[in-house]
Amino acid sequence: KAGVTQTPRYLIKTRGQQVTLSCSPISGHRSVSWYQQTPGQGLQFLFEYFSETQRNKGNFPGRFSGRQFSNSRSEMNVSTLELGDSALYLCASRHGTSYGPDTQYFGPGTRLTVL
Amino acid sequence: AQKITQTQPGMFVQEKEAVTLDCTYDTSDQSYGLFWYKQPSSGEMIFLIYQGSYDEQNATEGRYSLNFQKARKSANLVISASQLGDSAMYFCAMRVSRSNSGGGADGLTFGKGTHLIIQP
Repeated sequence: KAGVTQTPRYLIKTRGQQVTLSCSPISGHRSVSWYQQTPGQGLQFLFEYFSETQRNKGNFPGRFSGRQFSNSRSEMNVSTLELGDSALYLCASRHGTSYGPDTQYFGPGTRLTVL
Repeated sequence: AQKITQTQPGMFVQEKEAVTLDCTYDTSDQSYGLFWYKQPSSGEMIFLIYQGSYDEQNATEGRYSLNFQKARKSANLVISASQLGDSAMYFCAMRVSRSNSGGGADGLTFGKGTHLIIQP
């Protein structure tokens, strides 16, 4: 079974621009979550989508948004990029939305650099 | 709010030795899951092991075991017979139930990680 895929793997943008990252979950997984990883803040939860609905949101400004399509693929958008948005963005998928042993499997990440 | 604390920023261990990575957590929820992930230098997060808050037995997965002490709110990862390929960042994470807000669960809360280096 194919794993979680993310595109692009690397991205360089300038301040003020916007960016869209894409994530394709493992087949059969309906939940997709996004995380931001930086050296200073570590791994932080952005949001989770299930059946095209945002189920959960972390503490990030409204510049960060996402959506999920009927085939469970998800996109994340960051508008008006700031230097501090430079990070590794990780997507993870799982079957459902419970707290239990429904493991999230992560993709390889998209490394975004904002100049 | 949930919090995960990993007190060992870095560890050096001799190959073939066992290693324990510490993790303590803080939550007022009774229903939660604890996870350990490994992140090699390539960046991908690799799931290692899971422990549920109601599980009475400590979880084991091959060379990985989780020393779960609920009263102390600790969930230490034990790697037996360490190998050079175990060198990586290790993250402890927690997910709690959202039973009071429509079901489902919060996103994973991660600790800062432990950088494990296995020496030959």
